[in-house]
Amino acid sequence: GQSLEQPSEVTAVEGAIVQINCTYQTSGFYGLSWYQQHDGGAPTFLSYNALDGLEETGRFSSFLSRSDSYGYLLLQELQMKDSASYFCAVTDYGQNFVFGPGTRLSVLP
Amino acid sequence: DTEVTQTPKHLVMGMTNKKSLKCEQHMGHRAMYWYKQKAKKPPELMFVYSYEKLSINESVPSRFSPECPNSSLLNLHLHALQPEDSALYLCASSQGGSGNTIYFGEGSWLTVV
Repeated sequence: GQSLEQPSEVTAVEGAIVQINCTYQTSGFYGLSWYQQHDGGAPTFLSYNALDGLEETGRFSSFLSRSDSYGYLLLQELQMKDSASYFCAVTDYGQNFVFGPGTRLSVLP
Repeated sequence: DTEVTQTPKHLVMGMTNKKSLKCEQHMGHRAMYWYKQKAKKPPELMFVYSYEKLSINESVPSRFSPECPNSSLLNLHLHALQPEDSALYLCASSQGGSGNTIYFGEGSWLTVV
């Protein structure tokens, strides 16, 4: 089976940098994805790591260490609109995408 | 704009009703998914279709019946639901195979009364 852990809540101020961690235990692993979900909306894809290292997409970066079963999402130059829930998700061998419990980010003025 | 389209956006149904949720994707993806999401919880996988064949059924009650008429369409037939089935139902698609990510539609908000 699979299990993922994320912090339940993170709070930061506008313009700051925040890191959301994700640790996982899976029976098979192809990659780690990150999704953003605003209240009342659907999850939207942010970033994907299949190999160790950092992937950068604008203000968002994602990191993966396969040997540590660990990844993180880094959000820079925080804006109020970044207030949302963030989910990490593991892709396993069977095209199964399993989501972590989610981290609620609150950005304060 | 999402390339995974779900209808209806909102649905209210009685426990004796039969209704369907519909999903269409225009990205040429070969795998399609149904997820269920309750408030403040992560999406929970229900079904996966790969190349139009059901490949994963996460022990979903038979009152939920998926159908994949072709590689672009996915339906979820609903019958004799319970109030606890009220949730956001998300359709998603991916390229299929290993190491791909998935893209969600905007979801269908279902309320069972």
